Amino acid sequence: AQSVTQPDIHITVSEGASLELRCNYSYGATPYLFWYVQSPGQGLQLLLKYFSGDTLVQGIKGFEAEFKRSQSSFNLRKPSVHWSDAAEYFCAVGDRSGGGADGLTFGKGTHLIIQP
Amino acid sequence: DADVTQTPRNRITKTGKRIMLECSQTKGHDRMYWYRQDPGLGLRLIYYSFDVKDINKGEISDGYSVSRQAQAKFSLSLESAIPNQTALYFCATSDPGGGTSGILAGELFFGEGSRLTVL
Repeated sequence: AQSVTQPDIHITVSEGASLELRCNYSYGATPYLFWYVQSPGQGLQLLLKYFSGDTLVQGIKGFEAEFKRSQSSFNLRKPSVHWSDAAEYFCAVGDRSGGGADGLTFGKGTHLIIQP
Repeated sequence: DADVTQTPRNRITKTGKRIMLECSQTKGHDRMYWYRQDPGLGLRLIYYSFDVKDINKGEISDGYSVSRQAQAKFSLSLESAIPNQTALYFCATSDPGGGTSGILAGELFFGEGSRLTVL
């Protein structure tokens, strides 16, 4: 079964600084990979996803993520964070062999705090 | 209107009570899911369904049951609620479109969540 590790429970960055959120996965092959964001009191919104092809994927709100097969990682980055980026971020993997039919496996989340 | 709607959004109940959380969707997706979110634990899958005749247990199905009344409706029930079922519950849908390589393959579309407190 697949699993996801987000090593950082909390991250604090200053507004305008760069950001990298880490995600490592365990899976026998190349899975589907996702990053979702959850703002306070809200549901989950998809930031970006990787299925195949270019390993650097662009998402909404200026986020990008890079799939590194050798490191089993899919880290999320943003060059300059805004106060509105304060939220909970979840990395998730899906089983490619089944077309993701049995849902996604989520990491435990990283809580991003933005300092003025 | 939201594509995936959950009711109620908030519920406080007492131990031993029966609770039903409802989910309806207008996306036309066949696949529907119920997840539970707890602080520090992320989201964990409770049940999922491919159609009205196909229900599958997820990682943490004990203490829960589901009903797929129609393609668009998927309900989660707690027959006898207990305090450790206090959590935020999410319904989600998916549609692979073009199969395993379809552009939507694996992607989940979430409702806004139902916060349940069991006293």
